[in-house]
Amino acid sequence: GEDVEQSLFLSVREGDSSVINCTYTDSSSTYLYWYKQEPGAGLQLLTYIFSNMDMKQDQRLTVLLNKKDKHLSLRIADTQTGDSAIYFCAELNTGTASKLTFGTGTRLQVTL
Amino acid sequence: KAGVTQTPRYLIKTRGQQVTLSCSPISGHRSVSWYQQTPGQGLQFLFEYFSETQRNKGNFPGRFSGRQFSNSRSEMNVSTLELGDSALYLCASSLAGWGGLERTDTQYFGPGTRLTVL
Repeated sequence: GEDVEQSLFLSVREGDSSVINCTYTDSSSTYLYWYKQEPGAGLQLLTYIFSNMDMKQDQRLTVLLNKKDKHLSLRIADTQTGDSAIYFCAELNTGTASKLTFGTGTRLQVTL
Repeated sequence: KAGVTQTPRYLIKTRGQQVTLSCSPISGHRSVSWYQQTPGQGLQFLFEYFSETQRNKGNFPGRFSGRQFSNSRSEMNVSTLELGDSALYLCASSLAGWGGLERTDTQYFGPGTRLTVL
């Protein structure tokens, strides 16, 4: 079955790195995504990784994928107060026609 | 290129009423998916439309329905509203096809419609 889990809360100091973790269960996932949601807003796509990759870097963001352990992480370098938001990981199995299964979301709080 | 737009942004209804929400996808995108977001259940998939056909459906009662038009715009309808239907309803669009060397199923979300049922 499909299940995506995340820790609920993470607090970091401005300038430090943040690492948000996610585990998933569907081994046939093809794409894995990270979305950001600010209060009262929709979901903003941050980055994604294809399942045959193990790392992707995009400016301050680094995504690591351990397919054997079904573990995905998002590292934000030099975290800023504007990064405070809820971060969702999501898996896509194209066998189910573009249905995203989301994690519970991790609330990132950046302190001064 | 304009993003995904949803109307209305906010809606207040009473129990028993019905509601229609609208979503306009990014130009050129053919797939539209709908999600419900609540504090208790998180983000849950409602259904997906592609070329005016429902391709996939989540575990929601038949009170939730949708459709897609020939220009890819989509509407979702909820009949006989219940208090538990209060939620943020998010629409996402994707090309749902091939763009260069890889499939482009990446979904881009609209700002959502906040529905409150009293």
